[in-house]
Amino acid sequence: SAVISQKPSRDICQRGTSLTIQCQVDSQVTMMFWYRQQPGQSLTLIATANQGSEATYESGFVIDKFPISRPNLTFSTLTVSNMSPEDSSIYLCSALGDSDYEQYFGPGTRLTVT
Amino acid sequence: AQSVAQPEDQVNVAEGNPLTVKCTYSVSGNPYLFWYVQYPNRGLQFLLKYITGDNLVKGSYGFEAEFNKSQTSFHLKKPSALVSDSALYFCAVRDGAGRRALTFGSGTRLQVQP
Repeated sequence: SAVISQKPSRDICQRGTSLTIQCQVDSQVTMMFWYRQQPGQSLTLIATANQGSEATYESGFVIDKFPISRPNLTFSTLTVSNMSPEDSSIYLCSALGDSDYEQYFGPGTRLTVT
Repeated sequence: AQSVAQPEDQVNVAEGNPLTVKCTYSVSGNPYLFWYVQYPNRGLQFLLKYITGDNLVKGSYGFEAEFNKSQTSFHLKKPSALVSDSALYFCAVRDGAGRRALTFGSGTRLQVQP
């Protein structure tokens, strides 16, 4: 299994600012993903973080708002840009393990935008 | 497109009684099905998966799930509920031959009463 850590665990930010969330996996993984969980809601996929190339974004999410980096097989960052209160959510990093079946999740970053 | 339905927002059960959390899915190819649990202020924890083989899948903490292809269902079950099972449960699906990101249901809150 893969163990995933995220930094920060939570933050309170002012509208108009940006926050970068870091995701570290304890082993090399083939695929990494970023999800958003709005208060009381389910998880929605933001994008697939591709190693060495641009991320693949889902409908409704754009690179200018959620730039993603993945410089190697164990690390990725998600930036939430020009934040508004609607961006208040839990952001979760996820990685696909060697088996290609099990997807592991980080503890999440709880973001509050005021 | 793939989708997951969890028709119950909340399930209430008395401790010691059997519990069932319902899930139905839609996917174009062979489904890979998963159950995750989320405790307050915690990340997602993997419970069990169905990839192929026996329709009854056993997972962590005494949980099991039954894959029913004709009814496109993957209900989560436990013979005897514990108060500590109280949490938010998510069913998820991916197309076995397609993209590897998961599509999640809306979640079901399980409340086990002492």
